[in-house]
Amino acid sequence: SAVISQKPSRDICQRGTSLTIQCQVDSQVTMMFWYRQQPGQSLTLIATANQGSEATYESGFVIDKFPISRPNLTFSTLTVSNMSPEDSSIYLCSARTSKETQYFGPGTRLLVL
Amino acid sequence: QKEVEQNSGPLSVPEGAIASLNCTYSDRGSQSFFWYRQYSGKSPELIMFIYSNGDKEDGRFTAQLNKASQYVSLLIRDSQPSDSATYLCAVTLSGNQFYFGTGTSLTVIP
Repeated sequence: SAVISQKPSRDICQRGTSLTIQCQVDSQVTMMFWYRQQPGQSLTLIATANQGSEATYESGFVIDKFPISRPNLTFSTLTVSNMSPEDSSIYLCSARTSKETQYFGPGTRLLVL
Repeated sequence: QKEVEQNSGPLSVPEGAIASLNCTYSDRGSQSFFWYRQYSGKSPELIMFIYSNGDKEDGRFTAQLNKASQYVSLLIRDSQPSDSATYLCAVTLSGNQFYFGTGTSLTVIP
């Protein structure tokens, strides 16, 4: 399995600002992902964080709004830029191990005022 | 068309009973199947995965896969109040992306 940590665990931000969320995995993993989960909803994939290259974004998500970095095989960041109240959500980092199983971090709870 | 469908519930069972959670998927090329448990306010936690037709047991949990009928189920025996959570089904195709269902809310009544 993989143990994943995220920082911050929660934050309250003002409209128009940006927040960077960090994700750290305790071992090297093949793939890392960023999801968003609205209250009472299922998971929505934002993007796949690719090591050494640009992230792959899902439909409806763009790099200018959600820039992602992945400098190595254990670490990734997601930035939520120019935030609006609609960005209030839980943001989850996940990692896939070599055995094709996927694990999730504890999440970052974001409230935008 | 949704790739993965689950009954949103809520599903209520008495303590000690068997809880049966079902999931159907649309793509016959789906290769791997996963069940996650998510407590309120927490992140999803992997319970089981299954790749081959048939049953796979792990403690009180049994995953059942029927590729011909395109469904996967999770049985929880001797249900406990601590099993009350939302259960997410996920499948992968030949690529790398996981497709998640919307989840089934389970309540185990003491």
